Amino acid sequence: DAKTTQPPSMDCAEGRAANLPCNHSTISGNEYVYWYRQIHSQGPQYIIHGLKNNETNEMASLIITEDRKSSTLILPHATLRDTAVYYCIASHNFNKFYFGSGTKLNVKP
Amino acid sequence: SQTIHQWPATLVQPVGSPLSLECTVEGTSNPNLYWYRQAAGRGLQLLFYSVGIGQISSEVPQNLSASRPQDRQFILSSKKLLLSDSGFYLCAWSGGLGTAYEQYFGPGTRLTVT
Repeated sequence: DAKTTQPPSMDCAEGRAANLPCNHSTISGNEYVYWYRQIHSQGPQYIIHGLKNNETNEMASLIITEDRKSSTLILPHATLRDTAVYYCIASHNFNKFYFGSGTKLNVKP
Repeated sequence: SQTIHQWPATLVQPVGSPLSLECTVEGTSNPNLYWYRQAAGRGLQLLFYSVGIGQISSEVPQNLSASRPQDRQFILSSKKLLLSDSGFYLCAWSGGLGTAYEQYFGPGTRLTVT
């Protein structure tokens, strides 16, 4: 599976959009990009995934660059409840997800 | 609706003692099941996964083992705990091929080995 690189932490003002980047420059053609988040002391929660097209659901939007070497998770209107560690995963095998260190998003009032 | 249970919630065990953590899923059949461990301040490490009764895949060689005696039951065991086994143990399940990318996690067990 492709290695992903994320910034260790980011801040965002409440009500503003949070844009979380992920680099996966070695991603192969059959690997999807998945995003999960983990709120303190809980198990991770699935957010969204995509292959090459941009995706949107009720939680977030996923923008994947045309060369698929990077992606951005967008939380359109961040709330305090969105404070969490966000994990970007690139994998072709959903039985073997590698959750790295992720990005700690701090949403501030 | 589906629910996933893990117990116990917290556990303090001495080095060299045995371990048994249990995970059960309700409201679904033939789930894929997973055991992860999270050390303090770190990401999740996949330990085992299972796609069916008696089918266990080990991702990390260590003194832990897993078993799936029933379709919706997943057990993590150790004969002798090490200090390095301390951590937050999470069980997860996922559904069939169409939705297997979405894993649902249990509340976790916080294990401290002393």
